[in-house]
Parts: sequence; C-alpha cells; structure tokens
Amino acid sequence: SQQGEEDPQALSIQEGENATMNCSYKTSINNLQWYRQNSGRGLVHLILIRSNEREKHSGRLRVTLDTSKKSSSLLITASRAADTASYFCATKNTGTASKLTFGTGTRLQVTL
Amino acid sequence: DVKVTQSSRYLVKRTGEKVFLECVQDMDHENMFWYRQDPGLGLRLIYFSYDVKMKEKGDIPEGYSVSREKKERFSLILESASTNQTSMYLCASSLWSSGAPDTQYFGPGTRLTVL
Repeated sequence: SQQGEEDPQALSIQEGENATMNCSYKTSINNLQWYRQNSGRGLVHLILIRSNEREKHSGRLRVTLDTSKKSSSLLITASRAADTASYFCATKNTGTASKLTFGTGTRLQVTL
Repeated sequence: DVKVTQSSRYLVKRTGEKVFLECVQDMDHENMFWYRQDPGLGLRLIYFSYDVKMKEKGDIPEGYSVSREKKERFSLILESASTNQTSMYLCASSLWSSGAPDTQYFGPGTRLTVL
C-alpha cells in the first residue's frame, strides 16, 4: 500500500531558486530514498538516507530525515530548468525485505 | 551501469486480448518488480520476484500474472486486458544481499492503452 505522501503535489519556481519537497510516511523504516522521473520515463535514483542518519548531501541535493516525525525533505539548491521532473520518495520498511513503498510524487516545474 | 529494458514504449491493445510486457536487466540482479503508475496514485506494486521461478503478489495483483523463467527476464501478463488496465507500466530490478539498501533501477516504462 502507498504510505509515502509528498507535499506539495506540484511546485513551480524560477531558475536559481531553491526547491523543497516533503515526504511523510507511516511505519518504521530501514532507509528512505528519493527518485526523479522525467516526463514519461522511468525513475532514477537520486539519494538514500538511512534511518540512523539525519542529513545527507549530494551535489545540489540535501536530504533530511526525522524519524520521530516520520518525515523527510529533499532540497534542491540553485535549481535549473533541467531539474523539471517529478520527484518521489520511497521507503524501505523494516521487515519487508527488498521492497520499496513509493509516494505519490511532487511535480517540479523550473522556469527560466 | 545497470540497464533495464522494456519490450515496448507504447502499446495499444483491445479489450479481452492477452498482453505480454517483457523486462530484461543486465546486472544479474536477483530482485525484479512490476509497477503501474497512474496520475495521483504514484507507483503501485503489482508483483515482484526475488529469484527465478519465485514470485510474490504486490498491492494490486488482480488481473495480472507474472513469469520469471530466467534471472534476467521478468514478464508481466494481462490475461484478458480491460480498459481499467490502461496505464504506464514500469519494471525495476535491485540487487539482493544482506543489508542491501535495495536501490531500484528502472526501465523506461511501457505506456499501455486498452481500447
């Protein structure tokens, strides 16, 4: 069942601005991952944060995880038009080997 | 790089037809997955397989079956296609090992339209 809920559902910003997307989940997790999907294509893994980590960086991406609130956020700094895509969080839930549970996604539009 | 390929990018079928969607991965991954993606609903797991000839139902298996005869290939079968199976179908694979993060690698997707 879907447990990840992203917020907002859609986000429109201008190039150079920062974009923040949030994800909430319901059960205990092993890790949380963020994926990106360009229009009409497959998903691509961006970054993973383990349940014992609070923050992680990769290039212009910053992910935070608050297990007490069962939430995560993805920050994209200095956004570019090429960042236009849908972003999904996915959780690896404790006790569910190998499966990920995906959220409903945030659609990000970056305009020039 | 892991490569996951799907047999068709676009497919149009008629109600009642038997439909086969094929997925092949080239990285010797044990786990393979089939999802469908619909607007507002995100990705929903249909079936997954953690080994040859092994399969487990996901969240929405009704109306679908799967086959995994070889490690690299995972097929999704719609026994009798219906219009409510019009969707984007995504295949993914991941490596199994104890403690693995289970990062999934996705194919490009098949957009299926059932008329």
